[in-house]
Amino acid sequence: GAGVSQSPSNKVTEKGKDVELRCDPISGHTALYWYRQRLGQGLEFLIYFQGNSAPDKSGLPSDRFSAERTGESVSTLTIQRTQQEDSAVYLCASSHLTPGTSGAGGQFFGPGTRLTVL
Amino acid sequence: DAKTTQPPSMDCAEGRAANLPCNHSTISGNEYVYWYRQIHSQGPQYIIHGLKNNETNEMASLIITEDRKSSTLILPHATLRDTAVYYCIVHSGTYKYIFGTGTRLKVLA
Repeated sequence: GAGVSQSPSNKVTEKGKDVELRCDPISGHTALYWYRQRLGQGLEFLIYFQGNSAPDKSGLPSDRFSAERTGESVSTLTIQRTQQEDSAVYLCASSHLTPGTSGAGGQFFGPGTRLTVL
Repeated sequence: DAKTTQPPSMDCAEGRAANLPCNHSTISGNEYVYWYRQIHSQGPQYIIHGLKNNETNEMASLIITEDRKSSTLILPHATLRDTAVYYCIVHSGTYKYIFGTGTRLKVLA
């Protein structure tokens, strides 16, 4: 596809259940990012993948959150034992070069997954 | 990464130029200025970025002051579809964008 895609677009789950969110980045983009956006708030960085380097997981809010990426393609964000506070839109983005690198463009975002924990 | 300051909201008449300011007085020499926008219920959209020279693309123009302590995003002929929250971000080689609350631009018919 031409852009970043995410699935599902909406997910409603019960407190305590596990959920898995998927992101398909733009082909050829080596960098992939996950963000969380609560209602009415700005974006909150969660995790960053760059090529084969170890991911930066410093933004993950708790050990219930984890993410994986297969090579330079699909990524999944897993939230275990969901809590109501996890309700938010989860956004994935990809970029071609490391931000700040001369000539690097911006991050391209997917439409997000709206997670509602009841 | 440098912190940015933006007005919380602005209005602009349809067809007129929208000028969105951003202050980044603590910017350092290797930090870029990026602009994104987020239309309601959608993911953020990259608009433009620059280091020190003014930049223009099909969406907007970016004017960076000579001392680089502030910048202005210009939408030359605003339309109703430009109504969105506009984020100004300054960073260097790090990738942890700090998205503040941005400027909520409302284009009026």
